[in-house]
Amino acid sequence: ETGVTQTPRHLVMGMTNKKSLKCEQHLGHNAMYWYKQSAKKPLELMFVYNFKEQTENNSVPSRFSPECPNSSHLFLHLHTLQPEDSALYLCASSQEGSQTYEQYFGPGTRLTVT
Amino acid sequence: AQTVTQSQPEMSVQEAETVTLSCTYDTSESDYYLFWYKQPPSRQMILVIRQEAYKQQNATENRFSVNFQKAAKSFSLKISDSQLGDAAMYFCAYRSRANSKLTFGKGITLSVRP
Repeated sequence: ETGVTQTPRHLVMGMTNKKSLKCEQHLGHNAMYWYKQSAKKPLELMFVYNFKEQTENNSVPSRFSPECPNSSHLFLHLHTLQPEDSALYLCASSQEGSQTYEQYFGPGTRLTVT
Repeated sequence: AQTVTQSQPEMSVQEAETVTLSCTYDTSESDYYLFWYKQPPSRQMILVIRQEAYKQQNATENRFSVNFQKAAKSFSLKISDSQLGDAAMYFCAYRSRANSKLTFGKGITLSVRP
């Protein structure tokens, strides 16, 4: 595997389900991110992890719970979601402290809440 | 707060022609980075080009180049010799050196006519 991978690619869940999204980066980066992309809205940053520590929580509802066990893996645990949470969830990583600072994205998980 | 504005929601270009996508941003910082990302129908967000604010020279990557006007806070993307594979949504993004948060514009949908 190369770059940033995400699983699953598609997920349909009911409002009472609990599920998790997984992200793995194979780039040796030290920062990881979760974004939400809804139709007709800009990408919304949800969480930032630097060196496994959460450094930003962009007022995200508690039904979204991130977990970063190491610098290569990032999870987003989902429970009691709402239909408006249906969106594309993108994971990204970057090397903070480098000269370039660009973020590399995974292919995303298309989430549908029924 | 930093903002990124992409005022054109859609553009169309003839294959082999040149097209320019506009982006403006607002910031009070002096040390920052600007990016253009491409998101094709596959939804994978791909970095197209990067510009460091401290560099006066405009960045170029093959058929892609930028016109960076720091005083005007403008960062446009020029695509030369457009190809069918260039059809995608293009996002302009900003980050400061000090903060890993990426701020995205709303994006512009580019279509390429054969």
